[in-house]
Amino acid sequence: AQRVTQPEKLLSVFKGAPVELKCNYSYSGSPELFWYVQYSRQRLQLLLRHISRESIKGFTADLNKGETSFHLKKPFAQEEDSAMYYCALLIRTGTASKLTFGTGTRLQVTL
Amino acid sequence: NAGVTQTPKFRVLKTGQSMTLLCAQDMNHEYMYWYRQDPGMGLRLIHYSVGEGTTAKGEVPDGYNVSRLKKQNFLLGLESAAPSQTSVYFCASVQGAMQPQHFGDGTRLSIL
Repeated sequence: AQRVTQPEKLLSVFKGAPVELKCNYSYSGSPELFWYVQYSRQRLQLLLRHISRESIKGFTADLNKGETSFHLKKPFAQEEDSAMYYCALLIRTGTASKLTFGTGTRLQVTL
Repeated sequence: NAGVTQTPKFRVLKTGQSMTLLCAQDMNHEYMYWYRQDPGMGLRLIHYSVGEGTTAKGEVPDGYNVSRLKKQNFLLGLESAAPSQTSVYFCASVQGAMQPQHFGDGTRLSIL
């Protein structure tokens, strides 16, 4: 069965320090992976997806099929990056598609 | 264009009471989903719908029912609320099966 693992519940970094939020997945098919972010008291919003290979708000994520990972990285953390981050795996089941979420990592950026 | 709208935003229920959460989307999306978000467990799929008149069970469907009578609305019902259903409920919609989902603001539900 598919599974998404985010090993860190909380990641605390200083402003300006590099950030890496870990995500590993387990899935027998071809993975479609996303990072969603939830700022305080706001709805979940898409941060980035692996097929677009773009950088959003300075964040990047590369799919590593060999290590089954999709870690989220940013070279210099900002205070406004403090939020809850969820890695999610999208799978197709018949005519539908479903997202399997990791348990999330809270990123705390301090001065 | 409001996107995905959930009502109500907050509700406190007593054990055994029933209620319905409404999700409305104005993007003409085919697929709609209900999740619950609990601390340390991320988001878990309750039920989903691939189109008007169709629903299917997700990962944690017990104690919930859903209906999709109109394409733009997806209702989540609790027939007899239990304290274990205290959670934040999120609705999401998407047009294409492999596209990113759009989420609502969530409904915070407490059952005493």
